[in-house]
Amino acid sequence: GIQVEQSPPDLILQEGANSTLRCNFSDSVNNLQWFHQNPWGQLINLFYIPSGTKQNGRLSATTVATERYSLLYISSSQTTDSGVYFCAVREYSTLTFGKGTMLLVSP
Amino acid sequence: SQTIHQWPATLVQPVGSPLSLECTVEGTSNPNLYWYRQAAGRGLQLLFYSVGIGQISSEVPQNLSASRPQDRQFILSSKKLLLSDSGFYLCACDRGRGNTEAFFGQGTRLTVV
Repeated sequence: GIQVEQSPPDLILQEGANSTLRCNFSDSVNNLQWFHQNPWGQLINLFYIPSGTKQNGRLSATTVATERYSLLYISSSQTTDSGVYFCAVREYSTLTFGKGTMLLVSP
Repeated sequence: SQTIHQWPATLVQPVGSPLSLECTVEGTSNPNLYWYRQAAGRGLQLLFYSVGIGQISSEVPQNLSASRPQDRQFILSSKKLLLSDSGFYLCACDRGRGNTEAFFGQGTRLTVV
């Protein structure tokens, strides 16, 4: 099956800093999603982005499907951005998740 | 957009006891439904998915089973829980017509003691 790799595995930032999270996948995909898992475990949808670039406030994402990667940008980070960020790709019927990037934003 | 209801939020069960976790979906019909488990260490593992009533596909052999008695209801069950069944269980759905966005419920944190 398809492999999804996320980097870095862990990231510590000071409040106000910017960051880039990366997701590489091993094969062509039908779509790609970014999620934020909050401290209570809930998965929050950030972007549905099979290709191209999208922005939502301080967050933006870019997927280059032909080169099999996606990037999530977080600007002016806040403590509430802390949590685990997951990339998930759909090959056929199901979503395959990466292992996530654990982000800690300190005040 | 669809809303996913999952309960209970937390559950502590003894080894050998049965399990029933329920997931219901509002706001869409004929969804694809999924059960994922997240063990310690962050990764999410797909357990079961369903494309329609009574249609269940299992991704990994295990002590669990799933059923879909109604279009928007998905149930995860076990006859006898093992310690290794502990984890965070998440139900998800998408609209089931092509390449669509998936949404997750709030999850059930299961501890088997």
